[in-house]
Amino acid sequence: EADIYQTPRYLVIGTGKKITLECSQTMGHDKMYWYQQDPGMELHLIHYSYGVNSTEKGDLSSESTVSRIRTEHFPLTLESARPSHTSQYLCASSGVSSYNSPLHFGNGTRLTVT
Amino acid sequence: QQPVQSPQAVILREGEDAVINCSSSKALYSVHWYRQKHGEAPVFLMILLKGGEQKGHDKISASFNEKKQQSSLYLTASQLSYSGTYFCGTDAYGQNFVFGPGTRLSVLP
Repeated sequence: EADIYQTPRYLVIGTGKKITLECSQTMGHDKMYWYQQDPGMELHLIHYSYGVNSTEKGDLSSESTVSRIRTEHFPLTLESARPSHTSQYLCASSGVSSYNSPLHFGNGTRLTVT
Repeated sequence: QQPVQSPQAVILREGEDAVINCSSSKALYSVHWYRQKHGEAPVFLMILLKGGEQKGHDKISASFNEKKQQSSLYLTASQLSYSGTYFCGTDAYGQNFVFGPGTRLSVLP
């Protein structure tokens, strides 16, 4: 059973606030990902990491930043939230190669910026 | 480059069969399939590896045609619980793992 946790599950916040979305996994996976998804729509990769001290930007331009100081932890930070950031954010992890290692997803954080 | 999925959406009655296709212009290492139910996170179904193979569990199976860089997901005798959005994901030479746009499947009683 996959063990990947995201907090908070829901967040409503005002414009201009700084927020951090937490993601932790207990599977020892090297690779971790952040996806942005509007309801019923595509999964857009915004950040990923191959391991500790590795972070890369994904295909979708994002004003967020990530860090990977520990294998199990991959937080995403928005320095100044805007209404356009309203979306669902999904964290995932996999073994070092997605070739033969499935992605395990957390339950997501639904962010609303007012 | 994002794989193409077809159809975009499909509506079935319980007991009917469906096929969802995923194709890429890139040479693929592997194809993943995931299902996402409304309000939930995507859940892994299966991976098909380069070399061309077929996999299945229960009444859901898939194939990978390496020559065509295409995978198909087969849902047999569909159940209400099969409703959701199905995403393929591809691992290709020279690019990151990427999801397709999804196929919405609705199974009606």
